[in-house]
Amino acid sequence: GQSLEQPSEVTAVEGAIVQINCTYQTSGFYGLSWYQQHDGGAPTFLSYNALDGLEETGRFSSFLSRSDSYGYLLLQELQMKDSASYFCAVSSGGYQKVTFGTGTKLQVIP
Amino acid sequence: KAGVTQTPRYLIKTRGQQVTLSCSPISGHRSVSWYQQTPGQGLQFLFEYFSETQRNKGNFPGRFSGRQFSNSRSEMNVSTLELGDSALYLCASRPDREAYEQYFGPGTRLTVT
Repeated sequence: GQSLEQPSEVTAVEGAIVQINCTYQTSGFYGLSWYQQHDGGAPTFLSYNALDGLEETGRFSSFLSRSDSYGYLLLQELQMKDSASYFCAVSSGGYQKVTFGTGTKLQVIP
Repeated sequence: KAGVTQTPRYLIKTRGQQVTLSCSPISGHRSVSWYQQTPGQGLQFLFEYFSETQRNKGNFPGRFSGRQFSNSRSEMNVSTLELGDSALYLCASRPDREAYEQYFGPGTRLTVT
């Protein structure tokens, strides 16, 4: 089966940088995704990595190391609106099933 | 394009009853996945349908079932409800199984009393 581990909570200061790590165990790995979910809202897609390396999208970047089964989401110039839960998710198997981690609750403080 | 829609948005049921939730994917999307979200458990995968066939299945008891219609709309059914089934049920669609981005609906909040 699949398993993913990420920290349950992270607190960071407005304007700072925060990194949220994700380690996974799966077979038939295709890629690692990140989603953001605000309280009371639906998850929204942030990024996807299929190959090793860093992908940058504005203030957000995502990194993947397939050999280490590890990835992270990097958020720069933190804003209060970034306070949310962040989920990593792996795509794996013949029909590319998407399995989510338990999420990291990020609190941005002034 | 309209987003993913789910009905109803809120539901209160009694233990032992059954419930059916509905999901309409984004137009053109053929894959629909269902997730159960509870505090501290993240999003747990229930199943995925593609072209009216269940393609992937999570580790849930047989009380949880689903189906997909020819227009890609999907329903999930939970029979013999238990208190532990209280959760937010999220539906997500994507164009096909190779697409990595999933689009989520607002969810159905189910409360079992």
